[in-house]
Amino acid sequence: AQSVSQHNHHVILSEAASLELGCNYSYGGTVNLFWYVQYPGQHLQLLLKYFSGDPLVKGIKGFEAEFIKSKFSFNLRKPSVQWSDTAEYFCAVNVGAAGNKLTFGGGTRVLVKP
Amino acid sequence: EPEVTQTPSHQVTQMGQEVILRCVPISNHLYFYWYRQILGQKVEFLVSFYNNEISEKSEIFDDQFSVERPDGSNFTLKIRSTKLEDSAMYFCASSTRPNAEAFFGQGTRLTVV
Repeated sequence: AQSVSQHNHHVILSEAASLELGCNYSYGGTVNLFWYVQYPGQHLQLLLKYFSGDPLVKGIKGFEAEFIKSKFSFNLRKPSVQWSDTAEYFCAVNVGAAGNKLTFGGGTRVLVKP
Repeated sequence: EPEVTQTPSHQVTQMGQEVILRCVPISNHLYFYWYRQILGQKVEFLVSFYNNEISEKSEIFDDQFSVERPDGSNFTLKIRSTKLEDSAMYFCASSTRPNAEAFFGQGTRLTVV
């Protein structure tokens, strides 16, 4: 069965700092990759997704992620964070061409100090 | 913007009681899901539903669980006889097709006492 691991449980940084959140998955076949964000008191929202094509994916709010197939990784980045980026971030994988379930990582809580 | 809505937002129930969690998926979506997150643990897949039947379920989704689409808009999760370990946040989600972006509701926090 596939699994997803996120390297950091908690990240604290100051505004304007750069953010990188690690995500690794274990599955050898076709994967679809997602980063979701959950702001305090809100529902899970999609930040970005990778299905195929350019491995560098740009999402909303200045986030991007890079799919590195050889490393089974899909790390999330943002060059300069804002206080409003305080949230929990989840990496998720959907396997196969018609996969219809997401396997989530454990989440990373990000706190951006003003 | 269309959204997935879940009711209630909080539910407290006694062990052994039946609960029904309700969801209204986005209207043109055809695939429906339930996930749960026990406090401090990962978000876990429970079940996916398409064309009025379960398309996939996890080992968590045992005989105590059932799902139903009783009408054209609602999608429900029933837990027949709740256990303490069923306490969790339950998320409903929907999508237009498999492996497309899933849109999530805000969740129902279920507490079994």
